[in-house]
Amino acid sequence: AQRVTQPEKLLSVFKGAPVELKCNYSYSGSPELFWYVQYSRQRLQLLLRHISRESIKGFTADLNKGETSFHLKKPFAQEEDSAMYYCALRNYGQNFVFGPGTRLSVLP
Amino acid sequence: NAGVTQTPKFQVLKTGQSMTLQCAQDMNHNSMYWYRQDPGMGLRLIYYSASEGTTDKGEVPNGYNVSRLNKREFSLRLESAAPSQTSVYFCASSDLGGDAFFGQGTRLTVV
Repeated sequence: AQRVTQPEKLLSVFKGAPVELKCNYSYSGSPELFWYVQYSRQRLQLLLRHISRESIKGFTADLNKGETSFHLKKPFAQEEDSAMYYCALRNYGQNFVFGPGTRLSVLP
Repeated sequence: NAGVTQTPKFQVLKTGQSMTLQCAQDMNHNSMYWYRQDPGMGLRLIYYSASEGTTDKGEVPNGYNVSRLNKREFSLRLESAAPSQTSVYFCASSDLGGDAFFGQGTRLTVV
């Protein structure tokens, strides 16, 4: 069965502190992993995908197949990073399976 | 540059009423999806359409029907609304191998 878990419902950090949003997945095969972000009252938008290995807004994520994880990291959090973050995988049926989400709150 | 457009943005229904949520995309994507977003549950797939003329059930299809009217449009119908269907509904589209693009959501309350 394909599943995405995000163990933290809420993560609060102070501005300038490092951030790590955890994501684990279960999937037989080689999935594509994504992070989507939803700022207050806005639509979900893509933050980054593992295949492009890019850094967006200072965020990076590395796919660890051994640990079946795709944690999202940023060395220095900013207040504008406060949002809801969803980890997702795409399966062979081309559907996107989303995790429950983590709300990140960056305190001043 | 509209992307994915959903209507309406807000709706209040009485139990037992019916309604259709509309979704249209202008990116020529083959695949379209309907998700519901509930606190602590993330986004759960209701139905999807891999291409024009095809639809398939997702994780939580009960109480819903869909129509892929053409390549652009994918509607979600609630035949007899129930309070358990109170949620935020998102439509999304993607192309093969591409990212998912989302609409702005429809906040539905069933009383």
